[in-house]
Amino acid sequence: RKEVEQDPGPFNVPEGATVAFNCTYSNSASQSFFWYRQDCRKEPKLLMSVYSSGNEDGRFTAQLNRASQYISLLIRDSKLSDSATYLCVVNEGSSNTGKLIFGQGTTLQVKP
Amino acid sequence: DADVTQTPRNRITKTGKRIMLECSQTKGHDRMYWYRQDPGLGLRLIYYSFDVKDINKGEISDGYSVSRQAQAKFSLSLESAIPNQTALYFCATSDLHRGGQETQYFGPGTRLLVL
Repeated sequence: RKEVEQDPGPFNVPEGATVAFNCTYSNSASQSFFWYRQDCRKEPKLLMSVYSSGNEDGRFTAQLNRASQYISLLIRDSKLSDSATYLCVVNEGSSNTGKLIFGQGTTLQVKP
Repeated sequence: DADVTQTPRNRITKTGKRIMLECSQTKGHDRMYWYRQDPGLGLRLIYYSFDVKDINKGEISDGYSVSRQAQAKFSLSLESAIPNQTALYFCATSDLHRGGQETQYFGPGTRLLVL
Protein backbone atom coordinates (compact mmCIF):
# COMPACT_ATOMS: atom_id res chain seq x y z
CA ARG A 1 0.00 0.00 0.00
CA LYS A 2 1.36 3.43 -0.90
CA GLU A 3 1.95 5.78 2.02
CA VAL A 4 -0.06 8.54 0.36
CA GLU A 5 -2.66 7.57 -2.20
CA GLN A 6 -4.54 9.73 -4.65
CA ASP A 7 -6.75 9.08 -7.61
CA PRO A 8 -4.55 10.17 -10.54
CA GLY A 9 -7.57 11.27 -12.61
CA PRO A 10 -7.70 13.13 -14.88
CA PHE A 11 -10.70 15.06 -13.64
CA ASN A 12 -12.22 16.93 -16.57
CA VAL A 13 -14.63 19.66 -15.46
CA PRO A 14 -16.23 22.74 -17.06
CA GLU A 15 -15.39 26.23 -15.93
CA GLY A 16 -17.39 27.19 -12.89
CA ALA A 17 -17.75 23.65 -11.60
CA THR A 18 -16.95 22.51 -8.09
CA VAL A 19 -14.49 19.64 -7.87
CA ALA A 20 -13.17 17.66 -4.93
CA PHE A 21 -10.07 15.54 -4.54
CA ASN A 22 -9.41 13.06 -1.77
CA CYS A 23 -6.22 11.58 -0.49
CA THR A 24 -5.53 8.85 2.08
CA TYR A 25 -2.40 8.39 4.14
CA SER A 26 -1.13 5.35 6.00
CA ASN A 27 0.92 6.75 8.90
CA SER A 28 -1.38 7.64 11.76
CA ALA A 29 1.50 9.51 13.45
CA SER A 30 1.71 12.12 10.68
CA GLN A 31 1.13 15.64 11.94
CA SER A 32 1.53 17.96 8.96
CA PHE A 33 -0.53 17.93 5.79
CA PHE A 34 -0.36 19.98 2.64
CA TRP A 35 -1.66 20.39 -0.86
CA TYR A 36 0.90 21.37 -3.48
CA ARG A 37 0.15 22.36 -7.05
CA GLN A 38 2.34 21.33 -9.96
CA ASP A 39 1.94 22.72 -13.45
CA CYS A 40 3.11 20.64 -16.39
CA ARG A 41 6.90 20.29 -16.43
CA LYS A 42 7.27 22.77 -13.57
CA GLU A 43 8.19 22.55 -9.91
CA PRO A 44 5.62 21.86 -7.17
CA LYS A 45 4.45 24.90 -5.23
CA LEU A 46 2.61 25.02 -1.94
CA LEU A 47 -1.11 25.61 -2.43
CA MET A 48 -2.14 25.40 1.20
CA SER A 49 -1.45 23.68 4.48
CA VAL A 50 -4.24 21.58 5.93
CA TYR A 51 -5.23 22.16 9.53
CA SER A 52 -7.21 19.93 11.84
CA SER A 53 -10.21 22.24 11.91
CA GLY A 54 -10.25 22.64 8.15
CA ASN A 55 -9.23 25.80 6.39
CA GLU A 56 -10.21 27.91 3.43
CA ASP A 57 -8.27 30.14 1.07
CA GLY A 58 -10.53 31.87 -1.40
CA ARG A 59 -12.08 29.23 -3.65
CA PHE A 60 -10.04 26.44 -2.05
CA THR A 61 -11.09 24.49 1.04
CA ALA A 62 -9.01 21.80 2.70
CA GLN A 63 -10.29 19.28 5.23
CA LEU A 64 -8.54 16.72 7.40
CA ASN A 65 -10.15 13.61 8.87
CA ARG A 66 -7.64 12.06 11.25
CA ALA A 67 -9.86 9.16 12.23
CA SER A 68 -10.18 8.00 8.63
CA GLN A 69 -6.74 9.29 7.65
CA TYR A 70 -7.87 11.24 4.67
CA ILE A 71 -7.45 14.74 3.38
CA SER A 72 -9.62 16.55 0.89
CA LEU A 73 -9.34 19.59 -1.34
CA LEU A 74 -12.43 21.34 -2.68
CA ILE A 75 -12.18 23.85 -5.50
CA ARG A 76 -15.23 26.03 -6.13
CA ASP A 77 -15.96 28.01 -9.28
CA SER A 78 -13.15 26.32 -11.24
CA LYS A 79 -11.06 28.51 -13.53
CA LEU A 80 -9.09 27.50 -16.61
CA SER A 81 -5.98 28.47 -14.67
CA ASP A 82 -6.75 25.80 -12.05
CA SER A 83 -5.71 23.14 -14.56
CA ALA A 84 -2.72 21.42 -12.97
CA THR A 85 -1.73 18.39 -10.93
CA TYR A 86 -2.54 18.58 -7.22
CA LEU A 87 -0.18 16.74 -4.89
CA CYS A 88 -1.26 15.53 -1.48
CA VAL A 89 1.69 15.73 0.91
CA VAL A 90 2.10 14.36 4.42
CA ASN A 91 5.02 14.56 6.81
CA GLU A 92 6.70 11.28 7.62
CA GLY A 93 5.90 10.94 11.29
CA SER A 94 5.18 12.53 14.59
CA SER A 95 8.36 14.60 14.81
CA ASN A 96 8.98 17.40 12.40
CA THR A 97 11.78 15.73 10.52
CA GLY A 98 11.11 17.72 7.40
CA LYS A 99 10.67 14.50 5.48
CA LEU A 100 7.59 14.73 3.33
CA ILE A 101 5.78 11.94 1.55
CA PHE A 102 4.18 12.93 -1.74
CA GLY A 103 1.20 11.36 -3.41
CA GLN A 104 1.45 10.78 -7.14
CA GLY A 105 -0.92 13.64 -7.79
CA THR A 106 -4.41 14.19 -9.18
CA THR A 107 -4.66 15.89 -12.56
CA LEU A 108 -7.34 18.49 -13.11
CA GLN A 109 -8.34 19.79 -16.53
CA VAL A 110 -10.79 22.69 -16.55
CA LYS A 111 -12.49 23.12 -19.91
CA PRO A 112 -14.10 26.29 -21.30
CA ASP B 1 15.98 36.18 -9.55
CA ALA B 2 14.73 32.77 -8.49
CA ASP B 3 15.25 31.81 -4.86
CA VAL B 4 16.19 28.20 -5.68
CA THR B 5 18.17 27.52 -8.84
CA GLN B 6 19.30 24.27 -10.41
CA THR B 7 21.93 23.62 -13.05
CA PRO B 8 21.84 22.20 -15.60
CA ARG B 9 18.16 22.36 -16.51
CA ASN B 10 18.48 19.55 -19.01
CA ARG B 11 21.17 16.92 -19.41
CA ILE B 12 21.71 13.94 -21.66
CA THR B 13 24.43 11.53 -20.63
CA LYS B 14 25.58 7.99 -21.33
CA THR B 15 25.53 4.93 -19.11
CA GLY B 16 28.55 4.84 -16.83
CA LYS B 17 29.28 8.56 -16.85
CA ARG B 18 29.60 10.56 -13.64
CA ILE B 19 27.48 13.64 -13.52
CA MET B 20 26.70 16.33 -10.97
CA LEU B 21 23.51 18.31 -10.53
CA GLU B 22 23.84 21.55 -8.63
CA CYS B 23 21.42 23.48 -6.47
CA SER B 24 21.78 26.95 -4.99
CA GLN B 25 19.41 28.95 -2.82
CA THR B 26 19.20 32.54 -1.65
CA LYS B 27 16.43 31.96 0.91
CA GLY B 28 18.85 31.48 3.80
CA HIS B 29 17.28 28.15 4.68
CA ASP B 30 19.21 25.49 6.57
CA ARG B 31 17.34 22.50 5.17
CA MET B 32 17.87 21.24 1.64
CA TYR B 33 16.56 18.19 -0.21
CA TRP B 34 16.98 16.27 -3.42
CA TYR B 35 14.02 14.45 -5.00
CA ARG B 36 13.39 12.59 -8.18
CA GLN B 37 10.03 12.46 -9.94
CA ASP B 38 8.94 9.64 -12.20
CA PRO B 39 5.58 9.30 -13.96
CA GLY B 40 3.03 7.59 -11.75
CA LEU B 41 5.31 7.51 -8.70
CA GLY B 42 5.28 11.02 -7.32
CA LEU B 43 8.33 12.65 -5.79
CA ARG B 44 10.74 10.42 -3.90
CA LEU B 45 13.40 11.68 -1.51
CA ILE B 46 17.01 10.87 -2.40
CA TYR B 47 19.03 12.78 0.23
CA TYR B 48 18.46 15.61 2.64
CA SER B 49 20.58 17.92 4.75
CA PHE B 50 19.56 19.98 7.76
CA ASP B 51 22.79 21.98 7.88
CA VAL B 52 26.26 21.99 6.39
CA LYS B 53 27.49 19.16 8.61
CA ASP B 54 24.38 17.04 8.35
CA ILE B 55 23.68 14.62 5.46
CA ASN B 56 20.99 11.94 5.53
CA LYS B 57 19.86 9.24 3.15
CA GLY B 58 16.34 9.36 1.88
CA GLU B 59 14.10 6.68 0.44
CA ILE B 60 16.16 5.97 -2.69
CA SER B 61 19.81 6.95 -2.08
CA ASP B 62 21.49 3.99 -3.80
CA GLY B 63 23.53 5.13 -6.80
CA TYR B 64 23.61 8.74 -5.62
CA SER B 65 25.83 10.86 -3.41
CA VAL B 66 25.57 14.46 -2.22
CA SER B 67 27.75 17.29 -1.01
CA ARG B 68 26.65 20.28 1.08
CA GLN B 69 29.40 22.74 0.22
CA ALA B 70 27.79 25.67 2.03
CA GLN B 71 24.45 26.61 3.51
CA ALA B 72 23.38 27.79 0.09
CA LYS B 73 24.66 24.90 -2.04
CA PHE B 74 23.70 21.24 -2.22
CA SER B 75 24.96 19.05 -5.06
CA LEU B 76 23.76 15.64 -6.20
CA SER B 77 26.11 13.24 -7.97
CA LEU B 78 25.44 10.14 -9.98
CA GLU B 79 28.70 8.23 -9.75
CA SER B 80 27.97 5.93 -12.67
CA ALA B 81 24.74 6.83 -14.39
CA ILE B 82 22.33 4.10 -15.49
CA PRO B 83 19.21 4.37 -17.67
CA ASN B 84 16.75 3.90 -14.79
CA GLN B 85 18.09 7.14 -13.29
CA THR B 86 16.39 8.95 -16.14
CA ALA B 87 13.97 11.25 -14.31
CA LEU B 88 13.11 14.81 -13.35
CA TYR B 89 15.21 15.89 -10.36
CA PHE B 90 14.14 18.61 -7.96
CA CYS B 91 16.05 20.40 -5.25
CA ALA B 92 14.07 21.94 -2.41
CA THR B 93 14.74 24.07 0.65
CA SER B 94 12.77 24.64 3.81
CA ASP B 95 12.74 26.33 7.14
CA LEU B 96 10.50 25.70 10.11
CA HIS B 97 7.55 27.99 10.65
CA ARG B 98 6.32 28.71 14.11
CA GLY B 99 4.11 25.89 15.25
CA GLY B 100 6.29 23.36 13.44
CA GLN B 101 4.74 23.67 9.99
CA GLU B 102 7.29 23.56 7.23
CA THR B 103 6.99 24.67 3.64
CA GLN B 104 9.34 23.33 1.03
CA TYR B 105 10.36 25.55 -1.88
CA PHE B 106 11.41 23.80 -5.04
CA GLY B 107 13.88 24.64 -7.76
CA PRO B 108 12.78 24.48 -11.41
CA GLY B 109 14.05 20.92 -11.87
CA THR B 110 16.70 19.17 -13.93
CA ARG B 111 15.52 16.84 -16.65
CA LEU B 112 18.06 13.99 -16.95
CA LEU B 113 18.20 11.40 -19.71
CA VAL B 114 20.65 8.50 -19.38
CA LEU B 115 21.20 6.61 -22.62
